[in-house]
Amino acid sequence: EAGVAQSPRYKIIEKRQSVAFWCNPISGHATLYWYQQILGQGPKLLIQFQNNGVVDDSQLPKDRFSAERLKGVDSTLKIQPAKLEDSAVYLCASSLQPRDGYTFGSGTRLTVV
Amino acid sequence: QKEVEQNSGPLSVPEGAIASLNCTYSDRVSQSFFWYRQYSGKSPELIMSIYSNGDKEDGRFTAQLNKASQYVSLLIRDSQPSDSATYLCAVGNSGYALNFGKGTSLLVTP
Repeated sequence: EAGVAQSPRYKIIEKRQSVAFWCNPISGHATLYWYQQILGQGPKLLIQFQNNGVVDDSQLPKDRFSAERLKGVDSTLKIQPAKLEDSAVYLCASSLQPRDGYTFGSGTRLTVV
Repeated sequence: QKEVEQNSGPLSVPEGAIASLNCTYSDRVSQSFFWYRQYSGKSPELIMSIYSNGDKEDGRFTAQLNKASQYVSLLIRDSQPSDSATYLCAVGNSGYALNFGKGTSLLVTP
């Protein structure tokens, strides 16, 4: 089966600019997650979708971050405006059910300068 | 705040030895437990899952769970240099996303 697809792989932007990331989960996986991983730390959940509904976005900085999952398949994560501390790898993952282990995509490495 | 604690390491073991990685968690109602391996510059890869108290073996890997002590461990037998990576412990509760530790860096020396 095809894995979780993410794009772009790398992105460099200046602070206060906006950026968007895209994720296509494994076919049939109802649950989709966006995680932020800062260098040297473990992944931190930003948002969890079940189909196209939000299950948990309690750690999403909603003043600058937004995410959507249209039609319960693809998802986009947007940052506007970006700050220096947003420099991190943004990981998308999917699972059949939350109880299952995830499959992660290859991630998007964001550098804010 | 649900915490997952891991010793950041690095843990250094010689080739062929047993590597022991430990993790504690704070949420007593946690139900699912995972170990992920992450090579430098790569995304996490699931290597083990465990849901019940006791041991679960898969090849050279053994996961151990003690819910009373809120403790999960991963043993890697016959460690190889290719096992050198960061190992992430992840803990989940029904319906909700996994909470990850910061990871333990493992270095297997030839």
